[in-house]
Amino acid sequence: GESVGLHLPTLSVQEGDNSIINCAYSNSASDYFIWYKQESGKGPQFIIDIRSNMDKRQGQRVTVLLNKTVKHLSLQIAATQPGDSAVYFCAESGGSNYKLTFGKGTLLTVNP
Amino acid sequence: KAGVTQTPRYLIKTRGQQVTLSCSPISGHRSVSWYQQTPGQGLQFLFEYFSETQRNKGNFPGRFSGRQFSNSRSEMNVSTLELGDSALYLCASSFGGQRNTEAFFGQGTRLTVV
Repeated sequence: GESVGLHLPTLSVQEGDNSIINCAYSNSASDYFIWYKQESGKGPQFIIDIRSNMDKRQGQRVTVLLNKTVKHLSLQIAATQPGDSAVYFCAESGGSNYKLTFGKGTLLTVNP
Repeated sequence: KAGVTQTPRYLIKTRGQQVTLSCSPISGHRSVSWYQQTPGQGLQFLFEYFSETQRNKGNFPGRFSGRQFSNSRSEMNVSTLELGDSALYLCASSFGGQRNTEAFFGQGTRLTVV
């Protein structure tokens, strides 16, 4: 069945370092992937998305990489800041079913 | 422009009662999805509505239902509440066209069943 999982449940980095959060997915039919950031007491906040016809997409300080061969997705955050501390979720969807399947989340802690 | 608005933010209900949660999507968005978030199960899809029609449904019992109005606002209802229904209920809105596009979440409604 469908599943989206994260390799690491927690990640601790120093302020200014680059962070990499990984995600594995199992549904080969998935063609749309999103990364969300969730801070305590808030709903998930959209960070960046990527479609399966791309292998890389860049945003402001963030880059998402998609490797369809091994069904792997990663989020890179450049120059990580304390405000980046949150739980990060990857989510995937297939076709136009508008159903997002979420991973369990990675807690990112940025140490000053 | 205003984001996704969910009301109420917090609710405390007793087992056996029913509850209705509301979600107002971003202006122009016609798709509204609902998710349940718990520490043990994470974020799980409940259902999705577009133009007042349910297009997709997750694996939840029939006690969980929803609807969407002509102005795209959506409500979800949970009947005969159980302790295990305690969770953060999130709704997300998107344009809802032929392809998936960015889905934006509200702050959620924290439901506690006692």
